[in-house]
Amino acid sequence: AQRVTQPEKLLSVFKGAPVELKCNYSYSGSPELFWYVQYSRQRLQLLLRHISRESIKGFTADLNKGETSFHLKKPFAQEEDSAMYYCALRYSSASKIIFGSGTRLSIRP
Amino acid sequence: DTGVSQNPRHKITKRGQNVTFRCDPISEHNRLYWYRQTLGQGPEFLTYFQNEAQLEKSRLLSDRFSAERPKGSFSTLEIQRTEQGDSAMYLCASSGGLAVAKNIQYFGAGTRLSVL
Repeated sequence: AQRVTQPEKLLSVFKGAPVELKCNYSYSGSPELFWYVQYSRQRLQLLLRHISRESIKGFTADLNKGETSFHLKKPFAQEEDSAMYYCALRYSSASKIIFGSGTRLSIRP
Repeated sequence: DTGVSQNPRHKITKRGQNVTFRCDPISEHNRLYWYRQTLGQGPEFLTYFQNEAQLEKSRLLSDRFSAERPKGSFSTLEIQRTEQGDSAMYLCASSGGLAVAKNIQYFGAGTRLSVL
């Protein structure tokens, strides 16, 4: 069965410190991986996806098929990065998205 | 606001009552999804429409749940004989339209259901 695991419910780092939010998935095929973000009192929105191979708001994520991981990284955290982050996958462009349970990132000043 | 719109934003009901939620997708999007999110969890898939056709339903969608998208535009999700376990945030998402972003699912703000 497809599954997305985010082992940390809460990650707290100081402003300016590096950030890494962990994500592992289980899927036998070649899924598409995403990171979604939800800022306080805002709706869920796409942050980035692996096929785009881009950096958004300083965040990057590399798909490691050998380790079945898609960790989200940012070298220098900013206070405005505080939010709920969800790793997710889908197996085709029109299919449902399977979400992890989320990691709350808290940036301390 | 041209994003996905959901109404109502909040719904409080008594156990055993029926409730109906509405989702208006982004106008050019032909795919519409319903998800449910409980406290401390990520969204879980409920059902998916392409135009007016309901193409997939999760086993989470018991026979008390029904969803429709009669004209391929807005969708409704009805829960009959609500139970306390139905209390959750119900999210709608849509995708389609322009080639560059056609496969990105855009989410609404959700309808929060509380069953007393």
